[in-house]
Amino acid sequence: QKEVEQNSGPLSVPEGAIASLNCTYSDRGSQSFFWYRQYSGKSPELIMSIYSNGDKEDGRFTAQLNKASQYVSLLIRDSQPSDSATYLCAVNILSNTGKLIFGQGTTLQVKP
Amino acid sequence: GAVVSQHPSWVICKSGTSVKIECRSLDFQATTMFWYRQFPKQSLMLMATSNEGSKATYEQGVEKDKFLINHASLTLSTLTVTSAHPEDSSFYICSALTGGGYEQYFGPGTRLTVT
Repeated sequence: QKEVEQNSGPLSVPEGAIASLNCTYSDRGSQSFFWYRQYSGKSPELIMSIYSNGDKEDGRFTAQLNKASQYVSLLIRDSQPSDSATYLCAVNILSNTGKLIFGQGTTLQVKP
Repeated sequence: GAVVSQHPSWVICKSGTSVKIECRSLDFQATTMFWYRQFPKQSLMLMATSNEGSKATYEQGVEKDKFLINHASLTLSTLTVTSAHPEDSSFYICSALTGGGYEQYFGPGTRLTVT
């Protein structure tokens, strides 16, 4: 069974700290990896995509991928209260369909 | 870029009636769109994959005769919930696949309440 696992949290960090969100996946054939942010009552918003091993940085966000360990993470530097949301890890296992498998999401709380 | 709209944003209907939800890619063409459902405090559940010009592919357990999907153009897919029941009340969200074929962008969602 193809799975994407995340710790549901909540993960609580103080304002200004680094928030680290983790995700593991079971299918070694996975090709593409995504992080979505979802505020309560809203739809998911794509914040990062990563396709190859290593780090990818975009502003305060860094995605890290390790295919050997089947592990993808998201670091949020200088966390702000507005970053408080649920973060969904998504993995594309069949690249020709575009279909994503989502984790359950990690709730992040950034306290002022 | 990569903006997806949905209409309506919320709808209330009576049990037994049908409701149509539209999903549009505003600034790109999307040969593939997806329909999800999300219950409170739960993750997204993929209902079906919608491909322009062909029949939708439904996930296991999703009734294709109840959830009718039409993807008649490269920018529009519709989901019709037929003979709605209170248990169909949920947050329905569509997404569209960009031309590169990897990134999905979500619409703002439609909150359906069946009374």
